[in-house]
Amino acid sequence: GESVGLHLPTLSVQEGDNSIINCAYSNSASDYFIWYKQESGKGPQFIIDIRSNMDKRQGQRVTVLLNKTVKHLSLQIAATQPGDSAVYFCAEVSGGYQKVTFGTGTKLQVIP
Amino acid sequence: DTAVSQTPKYLVTQMGNDKSIKCEQNLGHDTMYWYKQDSKKFLKIMFSYNNKELIINETVPNRFSPKSPDKAHLNLHINSLELGDSAVYFCASSKRYHGGSGETQYFGPGTRLLVL
Repeated sequence: GESVGLHLPTLSVQEGDNSIINCAYSNSASDYFIWYKQESGKGPQFIIDIRSNMDKRQGQRVTVLLNKTVKHLSLQIAATQPGDSAVYFCAEVSGGYQKVTFGTGTKLQVIP
Repeated sequence: DTAVSQTPKYLVTQMGNDKSIKCEQNLGHDTMYWYKQDSKKFLKIMFSYNNKELIINETVPNRFSPKSPDKAHLNLHINSLELGDSAVYFCASSKRYHGGSGETQYFGPGTRLLVL
C-alpha cells in the first residue's frame, strides 16, 4: 500500500506485506533527508537517512528512495511486522544552520 | 540507562502559571534541541543549543526561555502559560551541531503539557 504524507493519513497493511510511505518535501536546496519512527507515547527514533547526492539507500528491511526532480521521498518497509506500527516522519535538512524540518507524518497500522 | 531524559513526563497546570521542563543527556553530545509536537503530531523545532550557545530560535514567543547550564542539560522555562502551549515537548541531542551531516538526533520521551 501507499500513502502521501502531508496530513497524517493512516496506512493499513497486512502483516508480512511491504509498506510504502511517501513524503513530499518543500525545499529543493535540502541536502539531507531522514526518516523517523515514533511509537505511541515515545519520542521519534532515527530509522534511515539519505544524502541529496544519492537516490537510494538500503537498511535492514527498509529502503529510502529520493527523487529530487519531483521533491519526493519514500520509505519502503519489507515484510511489515506488528512492531512497525507507529507514526513515520520524513525530515529535510537545509540551510547554513542545518535546520531540521519535519513533515506531517503517516500513521502505519499493521494488521496481524 | 536512558540516553536523553526529560522531567516531568506529564505536566498539568493553570493558565498564567510559570513552569519548567528539564532535559539531560548522558551521550556526551555537544548539541541539544527543543521541539514542540501539537495534537496533529506536527513536530517543530523551537531551539537549538551547541556547547551551551543558542544556534536556532524559531520565532518562539519570549515567554519561552531555554537555559543550558552545561552541555548535558537544556531546560525550558515557560512564563505565563497559555492554552495554546498545550502540546508534547521533546528534547533531543546530537553529537555535533551540523544536525544534518550524519549527526543523528536522539529524542527524549517527551513532556506532555496540558494548560487548563
